[in-house]
Amino acid sequence: DTGVSQNPRHKITKRGQNVTFRCDPISEHNRLYWYRQTLGQGPEFLTYFQNEAQLEKSRLLSDRFSAERPKGSFSTLEIQRTEQGDSAMYLCASTLKWARRETGELFFGEGSRLTVL
Amino acid sequence: GESVGLHLPTLSVQEGDNSIINCAYSNSASDYFIWYKQESGKGPQFIIDIRSNMDKRQGQRVTVLLNKTVKHLSLQIAATQPGDSAVYFCAGADSSYKLIFGSGTRLLVRP
Repeated sequence: DTGVSQNPRHKITKRGQNVTFRCDPISEHNRLYWYRQTLGQGPEFLTYFQNEAQLEKSRLLSDRFSAERPKGSFSTLEIQRTEQGDSAMYLCASTLKWARRETGELFFGEGSRLTVL
Repeated sequence: GESVGLHLPTLSVQEGDNSIINCAYSNSASDYFIWYKQESGKGPQFIIDIRSNMDKRQGQRVTVLLNKTVKHLSLQIAATQPGDSAVYFCAGADSSYKLIFGSGTRLLVRP
């Protein structure tokens, strides 16, 4: 499977614990996005990277959230001191973008579902 | 700021009929729009896209219409099939290709 891969698919944790999600984008894609989706809502943008540089962060991304893409390939999203309100599906997406290429579709992974008890 | 919304939360259609899902957007600067399909427990799946210099684009059984005057786009699905049952999202992209999603329309296909 050469699509976007996310792990773990499901995570149940107790409030106050830290969790980390991993995303492996499609191999040649230089842009990687994180979104959060709650039940009955559309995905909400959190942050995105171009190669290893984090170019934008949403106001939704509190200081308990941190994302990295150290080598410009896979990315991790860490949530510290989880709260019940963090329960959601965390979606990763990737695309290939270069200077003269027009905007193209984002390819999404299957998501990592977080449940905070 | 950008917002993208849908007119109906749920659409029920008879198998074989055509479906039309509508979407409104607020940001005139959006130059790219996408429709995604999301089945339960899965990530969004690309259906079709359209750029702001176009007003219509057709794919296999799907057509997207863009009306920039009233900031409205629609997704038409011809001969709707049971496998089309899902939640459909429209999304608009800005220059940094940050997608802003609407809340979705659930399409139910009656046999």
